[in-house]
Amino acid sequence: GDSVTQMEGPVTLSEEAFLTINCTYTATGYPSLFWYVQYPGEGLQLLLKATKADDKGSNKGFEATYRKETTSFHLEKGSVQVSDSAVYFCAPRAGKSEKLVFGKGTKLTVNP
Amino acid sequence: EAQVTQNPRYLITVTGKKLTVTCSQNMNHEYMSWYRQDPGLGLRQIYYSMNVEVTDKGDVPEGYKVSRKEKRNFPLILESPSPNQTSLYFCASSFLSQLRGEAFFGQGTRLTVV
Repeated sequence: GDSVTQMEGPVTLSEEAFLTINCTYTATGYPSLFWYVQYPGEGLQLLLKATKADDKGSNKGFEATYRKETTSFHLEKGSVQVSDSAVYFCAPRAGKSEKLVFGKGTKLTVNP
Repeated sequence: EAQVTQNPRYLITVTGKKLTVTCSQNMNHEYMSWYRQDPGLGLRQIYYSMNVEVTDKGDVPEGYKVSRKEKRNFPLILESPSPNQTSLYFCASSFLSQLRGEAFFGQGTRLTVV
């Protein structure tokens, strides 16, 4: 079945450090790809998305590029802030059920 | 404001006592689904619905029921809750087309079954 392998956390960085969270997936057909973020005590919010190969999604300084040949969608940010501390989920959406398939999540802590 | 509303946010109940968690969306989305989130397991889909009166099992449907009588509502029913259903539950909705596939999530319902 469809699955996601996401970089294990937790990840702890200092403010202004560079962030990469790796994500690779297996999915039926041609998925749309999403990164969701979950702040403490809250629901999931869409961070960015890409719907076809070589698309780059971006938002709030975060970026990810849809790499069909490597089935990857790695999340990057050039300079993290304390307010970026959260759990990040990679999720393709595809298949007959149109479901989002979530990775286990990567907890990011950014220290001042 | 576009939103998915779940109620209650927190619930403690006893084994075997039927409960319903409500979910409502105001975006005219066709697709609605329920997920549970457990530590180390990420989010797993329980049930989904592609439109009114159309529901189907997700990955972990055992012990749950759903109904979709109106487009905006998608309640999750636990007819005889057990402690292994203690979890954080999320309702989500979206348009059906993948190209507009962003899902909107509710704030979550933290359920404890004792």
